[in-house]
Amino acid sequence: AQSVTQPDIHITVSEGASLELRCNYSYGATPYLFWYVQSPGQGLQLLLKYFSGDTLVQGIKGFEAEFKRSQSSFNLRKPSVHWSDAAEYFCAVGALNAGNMLTFGGGTRLMVKP
Amino acid sequence: DVKVTQSSRYLVKRTGEKVFLECVQDMDHENMFWYRQDPGLGLRLIYFSYDVKMKEKGDIPEGYSVSREKKERFSLILESASTNQTSMYLCASYSRTDNQPQHFGDGTRLSIL
Repeated sequence: AQSVTQPDIHITVSEGASLELRCNYSYGATPYLFWYVQSPGQGLQLLLKYFSGDTLVQGIKGFEAEFKRSQSSFNLRKPSVHWSDAAEYFCAVGALNAGNMLTFGGGTRLMVKP
Repeated sequence: DVKVTQSSRYLVKRTGEKVFLECVQDMDHENMFWYRQDPGLGLRLIYFSYDVKMKEKGDIPEGYSVSREKKERFSLILESASTNQTSMYLCASYSRTDNQPQHFGDGTRLSIL
């Protein structure tokens, strides 16, 4: 069965500092991987996705993620965090056909200190 | 741009009531999903539908049912609401043909008293 683990439930960083959110997955086939962000009171917005090809993927809002098959990881990074990045972040793994039947991690809540 | 609309942002109901959560998408997507979101548990799939009148159970279907009479609308039904169904409910849609990830609505925060 597929699963996604986000080891950090809460993370606090200072504005302007770099950020890395961890995601580890377990999946029997070639994974399709996603990061979503949820601002308070909102639905989920797609940050970026990995289907194939270059293992470093760029997303919106200056985020990037790196797929490491050997480590079963898909960590999200941003070089300089802005106060508006405070939100909850979800990693998800899906089936081969482009994101159907997603399995989500438990989420990481990011707080940004001024 | 895809629009997934959930009829209520906040809803308060009483134990034992029958509750309907409605979701409409405007992009002719075949697949629609209902998730519930709880702190620390992420999103868990309740039911999904891959076509009109078709439905499949997800990971946590107990206490819920769904209805898909039209392609654009997917309803989640709590037959007899209980306090442990207090949660955030998220609807999503997806097209098998456009190779894009699921699109989500803004969610319905449901409180069962």
